Amino acid sequence: AQKITQTQPGMFVQEKEAVTLDCTYDTSDQSYGLFWYKQPSSGEMIFLIYQGSYDEQNATEGRYSLNFQKARKSANLVISASQLGDSAMYFCAMNYGGSQGNLIFGKGTKLSVKP
Amino acid sequence: NAGVTQTPKFRVLKTGQSMTLLCAQDMNHEYMYWYRQDPGMGLRLIHYSVGEGTTAKGEVPDGYNVSRLKKQNFLLGLESAAPSQTSVYFCASSFMSRGQDGYTFGSGTRLTVV
Repeated sequence: AQKITQTQPGMFVQEKEAVTLDCTYDTSDQSYGLFWYKQPSSGEMIFLIYQGSYDEQNATEGRYSLNFQKARKSANLVISASQLGDSAMYFCAMNYGGSQGNLIFGKGTKLSVKP
Repeated sequence: NAGVTQTPKFRVLKTGQSMTLLCAQDMNHEYMYWYRQDPGMGLRLIHYSVGEGTTAKGEVPDGYNVSRLKKQNFLLGLESAAPSQTSVYFCASSFMSRGQDGYTFGSGTRLTVV
């Protein structure tokens, strides 16, 4: 069965430091996409970054990068130079060939940035 | 601004009451989804639609019905609300079934059933 696992319920990071949020996935499909979303306390879902299963390069978007290790089925999010505004819930999600667009979400990691 | 609009944003229901949540998108997206978010559970798919007039069940469909009579609207109905349906409901839409075109989420509906 397709599954997303986020093993860190909560994380703390010092402002201006880098932090890695873990995500592992399970799918038998060869074609799939991996997403990271940020959910601040206001509740909206904010798209951060996407990685396709056939993409050879790790995705980057500004301070966000996705450390994609296909053989290990991991798609960790790296946030560089953390800011106070990065404090939020972060969700890893996946769609795959047979999902008809449906996203499967992990349970999330709550990141707190300390000043 | 273009996007996904959910109404209402907040609602309190009594057990047994019914209600309909409306999701409207103006991006001509084919795919629409309803998710619920509960503490510690992430988002779970309730129902989805791959086009006008079509709907399908997701992971947690019991107690909900949906309709997509118009491409831009996706309605989620609760026929007889139960306290277990207290949750935050998110609607989303996408142009394609895969790829980085991405998904647009509404701002959510916080529903409390007492």
